Amino acid sequence: NAGVTQTPKFRILKIGQSMTLQCTQDMNHNYMYWYRQDPGMGLKLIYYSVGAGITDKGEVPNGYNVSRSTTEDFPLRLELAAPSQTSVYFCAISDRGLHNEQFFGPGTRLTVL
Amino acid sequence: KQEVTQIPAALSVPEGENLVLNCSFTDSAIYNLQWFRQDPGKGLTSLLLIQSSQREQTSGRLNASLDKSSGRSTLYIAASQPGDSATYLCAVTYYGQNFVFGPGTRLSVLP
Repeated sequence: NAGVTQTPKFRILKIGQSMTLQCTQDMNHNYMYWYRQDPGMGLKLIYYSVGAGITDKGEVPNGYNVSRSTTEDFPLRLELAAPSQTSVYFCAISDRGLHNEQFFGPGTRLTVL
Repeated sequence: KQEVTQIPAALSVPEGENLVLNCSFTDSAIYNLQWFRQDPGKGLTSLLLIQSSQREQTSGRLNASLDKSSGRSTLYIAASQPGDSATYLCAVTYYGQNFVFGPGTRLSVLP
């Protein structure tokens, strides 16, 4: 039971490139989240999903897209990478509600040059 | 807009000391409050979750308390060890809403 896995662990992009950050869970939780964490700052919510086929914007969605075709997977897409998207990205899951206990993946460290 | 603050931003203590980390929130009508630990370069590990109806939760050497009326939670770590060195984050949520995270307190426990 791996919980939440994220790939890749590290990535360097050039300005304007695109990429997909992968998040997979094996706990059968309905709720999934994408956060970004900048140095010295708290986590900011990018997008979240309350179940397969349902996604919604968080606090900082601009420049990102998501999809949720299965319970297990919640990929995050960057279409035109910008230096402001340099950050550490975390995927999280919870069961039964937005306000319930969350469990996090190990993160993806992204640098845009 | 709900805000969560954590003071101090960093704390250094000698091994064996008991210590308290603070978390403050602006809206007292919280639903849950969760404390996390984050090691350098790693993800967040859930430590304790306190529901709004609870006053405290305990896990081993950790005790988290909640005072909604004053908008505060404290994380008490007993007999600190070098292995406790990490960043500790708190996050609050309101019914039907997403968590709001504080910036964290970076703890160093010196041998």
